Amino acid sequence: DQQVKQNSPSLSVQEGRISILNCDYTNSMFDYFLWYKKYPAEGPTFLISISSIKDKNEDGRFTVFLNKSAKHLSLHIVPSQPGDSAVYFCAASRFSGGYNKLIFGAGTRLAVHP
Amino acid sequence: DAGITQSPRHKVTETGTPVTLRCHQTENHRYMYWYRQDPGHGLRLIHYSYGVKDTDKGEVSDGYSVSRSKTEDFLLTLESATSSQTSVYFCAISDPLGRFSSGANVLTFGAGSRLTVL
Repeated sequence: DQQVKQNSPSLSVQEGRISILNCDYTNSMFDYFLWYKKYPAEGPTFLISISSIKDKNEDGRFTVFLNKSAKHLSLHIVPSQPGDSAVYFCAASRFSGGYNKLIFGAGTRLAVHP
Repeated sequence: DAGITQSPRHKVTETGTPVTLRCHQTENHRYMYWYRQDPGHGLRLIHYSYGVKDTDKGEVSDGYSVSRSKTEDFLLTLESATSSQTSVYFCAISDPLGRFSSGANVLTFGAGSRLTVL
């Protein structure tokens, strides 16, 4: 029962163009959504988050959009750079059992080509 | 890695042997977590700790045990390793409250421990 789904295992984008990574979720009780970025042989690093009461959050080249009615969020990277090539994990959070439970999607591998 | 050290970083072992992975933090964070990463599954929570000697199960805890005798150390033990436990294991920590102190509960991850069980 995957509550957080990233249906595209990989994405290839040209440098300077927009990268759009998508994520769907099933549980309407999630109250925060996060994106993590992971380089090979390193741990995931936090990128950006959004509260469920908002529909957009922007941080530099990164913008996350949330569509609650569709249970869908997306991460936009503009402009894309070769250093953005990594695996991106979507995660959803809800307070359950005494702690903030974080559920991750399977990840999308982004390749940005010069 | 924000004060998180995992050891060993790589280990190859045989089925049936015990394995212990160590996570050490210097951030004095209350919450610590062990995740495993597998292709097609993303990151799945094995166990977590909300204080010294306070631990609880995550979604894939079968075959694993944990211990936390000091704030800074969180150990993951495979009592009898199986090939299905071949994976990359990540330790993570979160802020002292482990709650929405200033927004989302942001986890900080270690560099990972790659375990191969033959």
